[in-house]
Amino acid sequence: SYELTQPPSVSVSPGQTATITCSGDALPKQYAYWYQQKPGQAPLLVTYKDSERPSGIPERFSGSSSGTTVTLTISGVQAEDEADYYCQSADSSGTYTIFGGGTKLTVL
Amino acid sequence: QVQLVQSGAEVKKPGSSVKVSCKASGGTFSSYTISWVRQAPGQGLEWMGRIIVLLDITDYAQKFQGRVTITADKSTSTAYMELSSLRSEDTAVYYCARVKEDQLLVWGQGTLVTVSS
Repeated sequence: SYELTQPPSVSVSPGQTATITCSGDALPKQYAYWYQQKPGQAPLLVTYKDSERPSGIPERFSGSSSGTTVTLTISGVQAEDEADYYCQSADSSGTYTIFGGGTKLTVL
Repeated sequence: QVQLVQSGAEVKKPGSSVKVSCKASGGTFSSYTISWVRQAPGQGLEWMGRIIVLLDITDYAQKFQGRVTITADKSTSTAYMELSSLRSEDTAVYYCARVKEDQLLVWGQGTLVTVSS
């Protein structure tokens, strides 16, 4: 079955740049979406259609795509950005939604 | 402002079924696609399936085929997810979410389902 692969964890110091990757064979054909989830809360969409940002999401969150890998970049990381981050996309048919395994971002 | 409000926590016995509701407000429910996603304790997000409310079309993740049923009641703007033959591994928080152009844009608050004998 189709999978999206993320690193389990990423650590970064405040003010630095965090990059979280997500790999999947169908990503050249399907858009990717990124969600932030803090403990006890529902996920929050932070980027959509690979690189768009919903209103209300800080500009330090950005997305990009290259081939079979999409990347979430958080510039100037703040302590409040510590959370789990999930990529989401669809299989090649576009019918089935799939999530990556999640990446825990730790702000040192 | 679209809001999704889910039903309360449930405790179920192994082998039984659970039905979780998701009531929408602030938009046109019949135009929605609603997905259901679950999250086991300490684990990641897992997509279970979706319903295109206008067409009453459902798609289910292969893992849950035959065990999950997603329905929608347009008269009450409520979507439902029923999971049968429950086992301990189904203990999780279950979320509904409104889907717009494949993005899960608005999420319910989550419903904890505990399966325990």
